[in-house]
Amino acid sequence: GAVVSQHPSWVICKSGTSVKIECRSLDFQATTMFWYRQFPKQSLMLMATSNEGSKATYEQGVEKDKFLINHASLTLSTLTVTSAHPEDSSFYICSATRISGANVLTFGAGSRLTVL
Amino acid sequence: TQLLEQSPQFLSIQEGENLTVYCNSSSVFSSLQWYRQEPGEGPVLLVTVVTGGEVKKLKRLTFQFGDARKDSSLHITAAQPGDTGLYLCAGFSGYALNFGKGTSLLVTP
Repeated sequence: GAVVSQHPSWVICKSGTSVKIECRSLDFQATTMFWYRQFPKQSLMLMATSNEGSKATYEQGVEKDKFLINHASLTLSTLTVTSAHPEDSSFYICSATRISGANVLTFGAGSRLTVL
Repeated sequence: TQLLEQSPQFLSIQEGENLTVYCNSSSVFSSLQWYRQEPGEGPVLLVTVVTGGEVKKLKRLTFQFGDARKDSSLHITAAQPGDTGLYLCAGFSGYALNFGKGTSLLVTP
């Protein structure tokens, strides 16, 4: 089956530093990857959609300069939280689809970011 | 973005009880999905409903898609502690999947 891997699974950083989270599709080529954010006891909120080789499409209210998304290959997308602050602490989850428009997404296990 | 409302938001029941979770929207969806998520993990797909009026069963879980394809329900029979988790309904807006707010279920022995 399709597997999506996220790394790191958890990270703690100091305020003002940048953190990169990787999302890899292990056994399939992902034309589209999605990044979600989840605060404690809340649902997943879509942050952005990224297609390989093109700029990400950000949801309303998500700062594109703060959350940099790169989808340089068909198996890797990265989310960089720049100049992180404590309010950026959250659970970040990626998902990937093999075929754009197909209603089948595979989710990663998530990355827990804690900013001190 | 098409909004999905879930109810109840929290549910605490005893083992053996039945429960129903609702997912409602004012928009029509081509399909709706139900996920279950455990703490610290990504959501896991339970089912996709596509046809209005469709009923799907997954062991003790029964999923129904409304005739107008605007709502869905999840019914759990004889809940067990292993059913504890966050249940999320989700629908596609374009090709992006958007989630409802979720129902946090706690089943105590």
